[in-house]
Amino acid sequence: EAQVTQNPRYLITVTGKKLTVTCSQNMNHEYMSWYRQDPGLGLRQIYYSMNVEVTDKGDVPEGYKVSRKEKRNFPLILESPSPNQTSLYFCASSLGATGVTEAFFGQGTRLTVV
Amino acid sequence: QKEVEQDPGPLSVPEGAIVSLNCTYSNSAFQYFMWYRQYSRKGPELLMYTYSSGNKEDGRFTAQVDKSSKYISLFIRDSQPSDSATYLCAMKYSSASKIIFGSGTRLSIRP
Repeated sequence: EAQVTQNPRYLITVTGKKLTVTCSQNMNHEYMSWYRQDPGLGLRQIYYSMNVEVTDKGDVPEGYKVSRKEKRNFPLILESPSPNQTSLYFCASSLGATGVTEAFFGQGTRLTVV
Repeated sequence: QKEVEQDPGPLSVPEGAIVSLNCTYSNSAFQYFMWYRQYSRKGPELLMYTYSSGNKEDGRFTAQVDKSSKYISLFIRDSQPSDSATYLCAMKYSSASKIIFGSGTRLSIRP
């Protein structure tokens, strides 16, 4: 089954404690991306990757890091989480490098930073 | 001013009605225009995208882009209760640029 898998689904952590949210896709997609969703602000792109070893900043990259060492995985790293990073996070992948064809989203990771 | 503006709604229409969802944008450089649907407690799903201007149809859904007015629309014909969701528009400047989203419109179809 074609899917994007995020882990964990729920996470409560403390300010400053480094964490990683994993994202994996099984469709051999070129494009992968991370988003955060906050009430009233909609969906905002954090980082995206058009291919292995190619990453670029989205709309709200501050406080986040990513890497794309292999095609299927695109982890999101919060080196020093802060309460303003409490949000619902989605990972997505897309067949084409533009990110607009056959896009699949993961189920989301709800992160709370206290 | 936000680059992409979208009325948050909620929008409530009776079953069978034609629904019109809209977004305006400020930068004429946008080339890719997308519509996503998001059900409650689920991830978004890409409905359709349009490159540059014109219309695109997929079943009951039609996407329109009016670049002269900086205005995009999504029409849903013969609306069903299962169409009740939040609809997000999004745009890209180029094939390699970031994606910028509207804040989403909550749609409810009354049986």
